[in-house]
Amino acid sequence: EIVLTQSPGTLSLSPGERATLSCRASQSVSSSYLGWYQQKPGQAPRLLIYGASSRATGIPDRFSGNGSGTDFTLTISRLEPEDFALYYCQQYDSSPYSFGRGTKLEIK
Amino acid sequence: EVQLVESGGGLVQPGGSLRLSCAASGFTFSSHAMSWVRQAPGKGLEWVSFISGSGDSTYYADSVKGRFIISRDNSKNTLYLQMNSLRAEDTAVFYCAEAWGPSDYWGQGTLVTVSS
Repeated sequence: EIVLTQSPGTLSLSPGERATLSCRASQSVSSSYLGWYQQKPGQAPRLLIYGASSRATGIPDRFSGNGSGTDFTLTISRLEPEDFALYYCQQYDSSPYSFGRGTKLEIK
Repeated sequence: EVQLVESGGGLVQPGGSLRLSCAASGFTFSSHAMSWVRQAPGKGLEWVSFISGSGDSTYYADSVKGRFIISRDNSKNTLYLQMNSLRAEDTAVFYCAEAWGPSDYWGQGTLVTVSS
């Protein structure tokens, strides 16, 4: 079973700043099968990045994904007020298709 | 417009059963693998189960293996999750989803509460 560890647990930043979120896998994950999701309170998650680095439909280009093997990163280049939310990574390379525990991005 | 509409949630006693449904519209349902994802109150996302577009391949989280069964009826554009031997720790909002990219589709979620 692949365990995904997200860090930090909470990230406090200001609008306009750059955010870097980490997702580390306990064993190698094919880049084709690593996704990042955003979730706001009371809403279903939304796919931001699939295949580790491809933006999902309608996602602004300030969101970018990178990484391979066991280390993956989600970067938000300049934070907008609507970006403060929970972020999860998920691997769907091998079952069980685990999620990380999430990173809360909060306003400083 | 793509829609996924879940139904079947509710209050059930420990040891009981429920069947969740997810009615899909606006896309070629049979061409898309689907998943169930759940979220316990105040907790993170937990992947529950996967089914291929044809229904031939299914996978489960260890926490539900042997108790839950995922299935689909492509003639009715509907995804199902049969949940048996329910436990208090199964209490969660259950989402059906197709989120492999480049687009993603999610239902609104249906709440399952397991309590006596």
